Amino acid sequence: DGGITQSPKYLFRKEGQNVTLSCEQNLNHDAMYWYRQDPGQGLRLIYYSQIVNDFQKGDIAEGYSVSREKKESFPLTVTSAQKNPTAFYLCASSVGAGAKLAKNIQYFGAGTRLSVL
Amino acid sequence: AQTVTQSQPEMSVQEAETVTLSCTYDTSESNYYLFWYKQPPSRQMILVIRQEAYKQQNATENRFSVNFQKAAKSFSLKISDSQLGDTAMYFCAFMKHVPSGTSYGKLTFGQGTILTVHP
Repeated sequence: DGGITQSPKYLFRKEGQNVTLSCEQNLNHDAMYWYRQDPGQGLRLIYYSQIVNDFQKGDIAEGYSVSREKKESFPLTVTSAQKNPTAFYLCASSVGAGAKLAKNIQYFGAGTRLSVL
Repeated sequence: AQTVTQSQPEMSVQEAETVTLSCTYDTSESNYYLFWYKQPPSRQMILVIRQEAYKQQNATENRFSVNFQKAAKSFSLKISDSQLGDTAMYFCAFMKHVPSGTSYGKLTFGQGTILTVHP
């Protein structure tokens, strides 16, 4: 089945530690996104990538880093600089520039819950 | 910048009844897209319905329909014949038109409305 796989489902971070959240998609989508979800605030965009080896900061990129070495993978690293990392993190993807309306639809993974020890 | 506002933090409805969730947005764009996403307790975000701003006809998907009022910048979701499985948080979202040759479309989300369907 095609879809987006996020792992792990739960992750704990110790103070001063970097942790990496995995996001893999087999939908052959060009664009991928990372969102953070906090209670009462909806989803906020952290980073996005339109193609391999290219990515851009979203609205709340400070304390996070990403890479896009493969089309199907877009890992997110939560660095020690992110002082309030406890949140639910969602990865999404959408089809490429060649599509018409469908490129406006983002498909989401099941998320990773990150907590601080 | 675009903003999306959902003024109802929580709603409840009896099974088989109809409920309407409200959403307003603010933008200076003329061409854009609006979405309703559903997030059940599993936390998986699922697209419910989408609307292109240039289309006057309201979108419908089975029991789900929208009332799109472009001039008022209002985009409400109506759920008919509510089912227990409709219990979820619902998010309204906005996206500017994505130009050809570009694959990225930024979604701006509202704060969400928790809908509970009672038996």
